[in-house]
Amino acid sequence: NAGVTQTPKFRILKIGQSMTLQCTQDMNHNYMYWYRQDPGMGLKLIYYSVGAGITDKGEVPNGYNVSRSTTEDFPLRLELAAPSQTSVYFCASSSAGAHYEQYFGPGTRLTVT
Amino acid sequence: RKEVEQDPGPFNVPEGATVAFNCTYSNSASQSFFWYRQDCRKEPKLLMSVYSSGNEDGRFTAQLNRASQYISLLIRDSKLSDSATYLCVVNTNAGKSTFGDGTTLTVKP
Repeated sequence: NAGVTQTPKFRILKIGQSMTLQCTQDMNHNYMYWYRQDPGMGLKLIYYSVGAGITDKGEVPNGYNVSRSTTEDFPLRLELAAPSQTSVYFCASSSAGAHYEQYFGPGTRLTVT
Repeated sequence: RKEVEQDPGPFNVPEGATVAFNCTYSNSASQSFFWYRQDCRKEPKLLMSVYSSGNEDGRFTAQLNRASQYISLLIRDSKLSDSATYLCVVNTNAGKSTFGDGTTLTVKP
């Protein structure tokens, strides 16, 4: 019973590099979310998706891109990494959005130097 | 003004104490409300949903006041294992979630 899985767990990037954070869920959830959490702060929504082929911006989308070609996968792409993107990234999924619990992956700890 | 604001904390209480956390939200179109718990360097996990009628789960009670746009969480008979950060979460009907910055609770022996 995997739930939400994220890879990698840790990553160090140099400024200007690009990478994709992977997120997969096996619960057949329609809604998926990407958040970032800076030290001592709450989670900020980067992008979310209400189903395959549909994505929308959250509170802090700049510097990121997403795609949702399948129900299971919701990768987050960082282009031209900057030190301000150093954070912990959480992916989450939910069966029907607003009224339902979100299940989170274990997070990816990213450092940009 | 932030969309979701929580008591800044931290709260340091002895075992057995009762502690209350408050949360206010600014979007009157908000539809669903939750409290999540986050342990250090771990992912958040749902503690409880919050309903207009109020709801209780063991030592935990959550209340919602839509008129005042206010949510609360009460923890009775605090245990050492309750030490964590508590996150207030507000959802719109479109599926967008907004998290508060969290309130950290430390329960001491």
